[in-house]
Amino acid sequence: KQEVTQIPAALSVPEGENLVLNCSFTDSAIYNLQWFRQDPGKGLTSLLLIQSSQREQTSGRLNASLDKSSGRSTLYIAASQPGDSATYLCGEGRGGADGLTFGKGTHLIIQP
Amino acid sequence: DAGVTQSPTHLIKTRGQHVTLRCSPISGHKSVSWYQQVLGQGPQFIFQYYEKEERGRGNFPDRFSARQFPNYSSELNVNALLLGDSALYLCASSLAGQWEKLFFGSGTQLSVL
Repeated sequence: KQEVTQIPAALSVPEGENLVLNCSFTDSAIYNLQWFRQDPGKGLTSLLLIQSSQREQTSGRLNASLDKSSGRSTLYIAASQPGDSATYLCGEGRGGADGLTFGKGTHLIIQP
Repeated sequence: DAGVTQSPTHLIKTRGQHVTLRCSPISGHKSVSWYQQVLGQGPQFIFQYYEKEERGRGNFPDRFSARQFPNYSSELNVNALLLGDSALYLCASSLAGQWEKLFFGSGTQLSVL
């Protein structure tokens, strides 16, 4: 059974700090991995999608890496801002008709 | 262009009732997926539809069913509601499947009393 674990479950840091969110998965047959943010009571907003053949993806202040051999992905947020406060979820995809398997998320608070 | 739209936004039902949730994907997207998110948990995959055919099903009972229409919109139906069905139901669309970037709607918050 696929399992996705996100550490830490919650994180609170002052504005301006760089931070790393972690996602680990058990299925070595990963097809891709997606990072999302979710604001309270809202849907998910896609941040980055990394295919299994890629090592990392970047978008603005966000950088996500993927290491299939160790079963890990990290999301790096540079120069954090209060607007970055949200829950960050990673979803592992195995391709085909299987849906994404999500972790429980990291609840991030950026203090002004 | 409009994003993924879901209706209704909130719904209150009682045990044993039936519910229908609706989703309109982004224009041009042919794949729709449904996820259930219980408070404090990550979303769980329920169904994927592509070109009006079911392409995948998660580990949910037969009380859950769905369909996709010729205009690619979709409905999720849940029969014989249980208290445990209370959750945020999310619809996601993509061009062709789960292996692509998913665009989520804001969800339908279902409360079963």
